[in-house]
Amino acid sequence: KAGVTQTPRYLIKTRGQQVTLSCSPISGHRSVSWYQQTPGQGLQFLFEYFSETQRNKGNFPGRFSGRQFSNSRSEMNVSTLELGDSALYLCASSGTSGTNEQFFGPGTRLTVL
Amino acid sequence: SQQGEEDPQALSIQEGENATMNCSYKTSINNLQWYRQNSGRGLVHLILIRSNEREKHSGRLRVTLDTSKKSSSLLITASRAADTASYFCATDMYEGKLIFGQGTELSVKP
Repeated sequence: KAGVTQTPRYLIKTRGQQVTLSCSPISGHRSVSWYQQTPGQGLQFLFEYFSETQRNKGNFPGRFSGRQFSNSRSEMNVSTLELGDSALYLCASSGTSGTNEQFFGPGTRLTVL
Repeated sequence: SQQGEEDPQALSIQEGENATMNCSYKTSINNLQWYRQNSGRGLVHLILIRSNEREKHSGRLRVTLDTSKKSSSLLITASRAADTASYFCATDMYEGKLIFGQGTELSVKP
């Protein structure tokens, strides 16, 4: 099976802009989670989608949003970018094993100037 | 907020030595997982231990879990230079959300 893919891999934006990141999960996986990784805060949970519904949300401002499509692909959007949004954004998918073992994509490195 | 605290934050050893990393957490869990990350790339799942298990092995990896102390340890035996990476514990409290520790940066010198 192909792994989790994320596009783009690198992105440079300026403050105030918005950005959309994309994630394609492993075939057959219906759960997609998003994480933000920064040197200061580490890995932090953003949100999780299952069958097009957001099931869990982390403690991030409303500028961070996401969605999931019927084919389980997911996008996350960050509006009105701030310098502090510079981070590695990781997407993970999990299947139906019930253990929440997550398979991560390579991440999107976002730099906000 | 971080559920897990990892210790040590950094560890430097020689090839062939064993590496032990510890993780403590705060609340009840369904399971605890360990992941590896190479230099700012995606995470790779290493091993999962359920809350009713005490020890688990996978190749050169050994994980223990003590739910009474809310702690876990990851032992990598006979380390190799290729094991150089950051290692994270992650606790699963409910579906879809993993809470990660800050990680241990392991450096294995040839």
